Amino acid sequence: GAGVSQSPSNKVTEKGKDVELRCDPISGHTALYWYRQSLGQGLEFLIYFQGNSAPDKSGLPSDRFSAERTGGSVSTLTIQRTQQEDSAVYLCASSLGWGAGTDTQYFGPGTRLTVL
Amino acid sequence: TQLLEQSPQFLSIQEGENLTVYCNSSSVFSSLQWYRQEPGEGPVLLVTVVTGGEVKKLKRLTFQFGDARKDSSLHITAAQPGDTGLYLCAGARHTNAGKSTFGDGTTLTVKP
Repeated sequence: GAGVSQSPSNKVTEKGKDVELRCDPISGHTALYWYRQSLGQGLEFLIYFQGNSAPDKSGLPSDRFSAERTGGSVSTLTIQRTQQEDSAVYLCASSLGWGAGTDTQYFGPGTRLTVL
Repeated sequence: TQLLEQSPQFLSIQEGENLTVYCNSSSVFSSLQWYRQEPGEGPVLLVTVVTGGEVKKLKRLTFQFGDARKDSSLHITAAQPGDTGLYLCAGARHTNAGKSTFGDGTTLTVKP
């Protein structure tokens, strides 16, 4: 597609429920990133993918968070047993590659998650 | 840790004024990006700087990368209400590919 797309744009869920967030990167981009952003704050790195593999999962806050990417394209971020502190905007970005000159990240509009 | 500190955190100015936002670190970065984010949207890339001492201009915006590649600044001349937003800097180290470090951002409000 023309840009990174994310769905849903908004998600309201009850504490304890599982949620799945989706990211469609720019066509041809091999690297994909997930971030979390609290209101008016900077970005907290969660995980990134090189193709379908995730070399760095160190940013995932807990074992309730997981992510996968299939076919080198779409990625899903799953949060199990959601807690109120999980409420935030979840941003996805993609880049052409991960080396010099190819690692500029282009962001989607985000998914605003509210856990009641 | 590769901490990027931005200052000021909040800035409210009148239309037509000039301003500078700073992004500082004790770490060296291979490249540094500046993004602007509006409410409800994802960050939009403004510029990437890669060479120490580099200066890039984008209309009324001037970006500078420090000689040691540890810091950067964004200067806006004659600010307009449309410049309002959250400005984020992000540093990348190619020895740590895929993991850019983001600052906490500067929230700029330009009043008409």
